[in-house]
Amino acid sequence: ELKVEQNPLFLSMQEGKNYTIYCNYSTTSDRLYWYRQDPGKSLESLFVLLSNGAVKQEGRLMASLDTKARLSTLHITAAVHDLSATYFCAVLPTWGSQGNLIFGKGTKLSVKP
Amino acid sequence: NAGVTQTPKFQVLKTGQSMTLQCAQDMNHEYMSWYRQDPGMGLRLIHYSVGAGITDQGEVPNGYNVSRSTTEDFPLRLLSAAPSQTSVYFCASSLGFAAGEVGTEAFFGQGTRLTVV
Repeated sequence: ELKVEQNPLFLSMQEGKNYTIYCNYSTTSDRLYWYRQDPGKSLESLFVLLSNGAVKQEGRLMASLDTKARLSTLHITAAVHDLSATYFCAVLPTWGSQGNLIFGKGTKLSVKP
Repeated sequence: NAGVTQTPKFQVLKTGQSMTLQCAQDMNHEYMSWYRQDPGMGLRLIHYSVGAGITDQGEVPNGYNVSRSTTEDFPLRLLSAAPSQTSVYFCASSLGFAAGEVGTEAFFGQGTRLTVV
């Protein structure tokens, strides 16, 4: 069974602190996506990671991919309130999925002053 | 460029009623899919299509029907609504495998919040 596990599922942070969200997956894949969802809104693409060792950064967020460990991380640096949202990772399995993304359950991030 | 457009945004149905959720994209994407989002469950794939005239089932297809007569449109039909289908529904589209590595990034509509009473 294809599984994508995120942890933590809930994260309450103080502004200015650093933290990492983890995304583990159970199948072979070399494509991983991070999305952000604000309450009541759609999913917004943050990062597309296409190869082992890929690292991408946008503002206070940095995502990386280790395909050998089947692990992606989303690192938050000096969190600010505007980063409060739910973050999803999604994996495209190398085979068996017909091109469908498999989503984790999401990490609900709350950044408090 | 509107992207992926879903209608309606909100809908309340009575048990047993049927309805169609509309999804249209103007990006000439071959690949379209429907997900449902429930609290604590992430997004689960209902049905998908890799091109006009081709559809297939996802993880949770029961109670739903789809068709793909054009590249642009991918409606989702609820045949006989049940309270278990209360959820937020998202339509997504992408270029698909043929477009190469970046083609599989999915773009999402704004969602339809459905309540079945």
